[in-house]
Amino acid sequence: SAVISQKPSRDICQRGTSLTIQCQVDSQVTMMFWYRQQPGQSLTLIATANQGSEATYESGFVIDKFPISRPNLTFSTLTVSNMSPEDSSIYLCSVETGQAMRYEQYFGPGTRLTVT
Amino acid sequence: GNSVTQMEGPVTLSEEAFLTINCTYTATGYPSLFWYVQYPGEGLQLLLKATKADDKGSNKGFEATYRKETTSFHLEKGSVQVSDSAVYFCALSDHYKLSFGAGTTVTVRA
Repeated sequence: SAVISQKPSRDICQRGTSLTIQCQVDSQVTMMFWYRQQPGQSLTLIATANQGSEATYESGFVIDKFPISRPNLTFSTLTVSNMSPEDSSIYLCSVETGQAMRYEQYFGPGTRLTVT
Repeated sequence: GNSVTQMEGPVTLSEEAFLTINCTYTATGYPSLFWYVQYPGEGLQLLLKATKADDKGSNKGFEATYRKETTSFHLEKGSVQVSDSAVYFCALSDHYKLSFGAGTTVTVRA
């Protein structure tokens, strides 16, 4: 498995502002992902962070709202832009490691975002 | 598309009781199946997995068998402890995308 850290662990932000969340992995990984977990809900994949190219977004998520960077194989950022109270969620990054075809994902501790 | 349906909670049990959380899936391919656990105040942890039909994943006394004929991956534990209180998520991975169930909250009373 990989050790994954996220910054910040939590934040309270005002509507209309933006927050950038960082995800750092202790080893090089090919696949990194960003998920959202709304209060009391399951996890929803936002996008796949691709190293050296634009992220791949899932249906319902757009780059203008959730820009993602992936400058190298150990680091990624997710920005939540022009926030509204509906963006209050836990945001998690995950990585896929291990042997080919096993598709195991390991998750960071999450960033708890509250928008007021 | 892929989807996961799991038993709704919350589930409340006494210590040493038997736990079953039902999970069924819909997938177009041959997915890998997972159970993740989220303990109170903690992040999401991989509990166990199975990558092909009839595989049994096991960890910490929990077990789940990949049943292709019933498209199921039910989680079981024979004797739960208070420390098993958590939210349990069933998930499937078709290639690299994870699809999660809604989660089942389990509370174990002493």
